[in-house]
Amino acid sequence: DVKVTQSSRYLVKRTGEKVFLECVQDMDHENMFWYRQDPGLGLRLIYFSYDVKMKEKGDIPEGYSVSREKKERFSLILESASTNQTSMYLCASIQKERGGEQFFGPGTRLTVL
Amino acid sequence: LAKTTQPISMDSYEGQEVNITCSHNNIATNDYITWYQQFPSQGPRFIIQGYKTKVTNEVASLFIPADRKSSTLSLPRVSLSDTAVYYCLVGDRGSTLGRLYFGRGTQLTVWP
Repeated sequence: DVKVTQSSRYLVKRTGEKVFLECVQDMDHENMFWYRQDPGLGLRLIYFSYDVKMKEKGDIPEGYSVSREKKERFSLILESASTNQTSMYLCASIQKERGGEQFFGPGTRLTVL
Repeated sequence: LAKTTQPISMDSYEGQEVNITCSHNNIATNDYITWYQQFPSQGPRFIIQGYKTKVTNEVASLFIPADRKSSTLSLPRVSLSDTAVYYCLVGDRGSTLGRLYFGRGTQLTVWP
């Protein structure tokens, strides 16, 4: 079975802290994604990566950065956390072929106080 | 970027067939149509995918008309455990493969 894991299920941070969310997939997928999900807004794409050291902005990249140093790992970084970044964060990966299935991690519920 | 329109919510009773229709007027020639299911506090899970006509698996059926501007997810004989949010997506023809636009989804509630 494909597995996408995220470093934490629940995280509480304070305003201004630097936050790292880690995602690891074990299927050698080329593409990886970070989404945030808020009530009534569905999933919104923050950043994605189609290769090591490659990244592209999604729909809401402001306040976030990402890092992909190894193929299996994709990190989301909040340089200075703010309360409006309180959300559910979901990581996903997909093989390179168009139309492939996206595999999601369990999510990290981040609360910024 | 092909976007989708689907009902915000639907209600059904156990044992009934549920059909959720999704509109995607700007679907591109090479785009696939994919449906995901999401339970609370979990990541979305792939249900079914198709390009045209009809696709069926052990969970659902997907009906796609010839013009491909809409699609219908059909869940036969739903149970309480089918209560979830269902997302309809189409593939992006942008430079990066694999990107999908999720939208707000349809909250399906199944009642006893």
